[in-house]
Amino acid sequence: GQNIDQPTEMTATEGAIVQINCTYQTSGFNGLFWYQQHAGEAPTFLSYNVLDGLEEKGRFSSFLSRSKGYSYLLLKELQMKDSASYLCAVSNAGGTSYGKLTFGQGTILTVHP
Amino acid sequence: DTEVTQTPKHLVMGMTNKKSLKCEQHMGHRAMYWYKQKAKKPPELMFVYSYEKLSINESVPSRFSPECPNSSLLNLHLHALQPEDSALYLCASSQEGQSGNTIYFGEGSWLTVV
Repeated sequence: GQNIDQPTEMTATEGAIVQINCTYQTSGFNGLFWYQQHAGEAPTFLSYNVLDGLEEKGRFSSFLSRSKGYSYLLLKELQMKDSASYLCAVSNAGGTSYGKLTFGQGTILTVHP
Repeated sequence: DTEVTQTPKHLVMGMTNKKSLKCEQHMGHRAMYWYKQKAKKPPELMFVYSYEKLSINESVPSRFSPECPNSSLLNLHLHALQPEDSALYLCASSQEGQSGNTIYFGEGSWLTVV
């Protein structure tokens, strides 16, 4: 089975930096995704990590440690439009989990002026 | 902008109705998915089609019936639904059904069963 944990809610101030953590336990692992979802909208892809280390993409960065079953999403220079739910999702490797993406519960981020 | 298009965006149906949700992608992706999302919950996988064949059915009740007419289209046929089936239904696609390929979501179809 799988277990994916992330904080339920976080708040931050406009212009600041926030880190959203995700821990996972899985029987098979082939990468970790971060998605952003605004209320009433579909999830949009932010990042994908399959090897250990940091992936940077503009204001957003994502880190993975496979040995620790740990990832984080770092958002810099926060803007009001970054208020959304951030979903950590694990991709399974092979077998009957072929093509399966399992999501954590999501972290609702609220950015204040 | 998403290149996965879903119709209708909103659907209200009675428990005895038969309706269908439609999804289309033109990215040349060979895997397509249906996810269900309840309010304040993460998306939950329902079905995976890979190369137009059903590869995963997550024990979904038979009142939901998927269909993949070709590699660009995915339908979800609905019959005799229950009020608890009301949710956002998300279609998605990826290059192949192999794990590790980025999954891109459509904007979803909001379904209300009355």
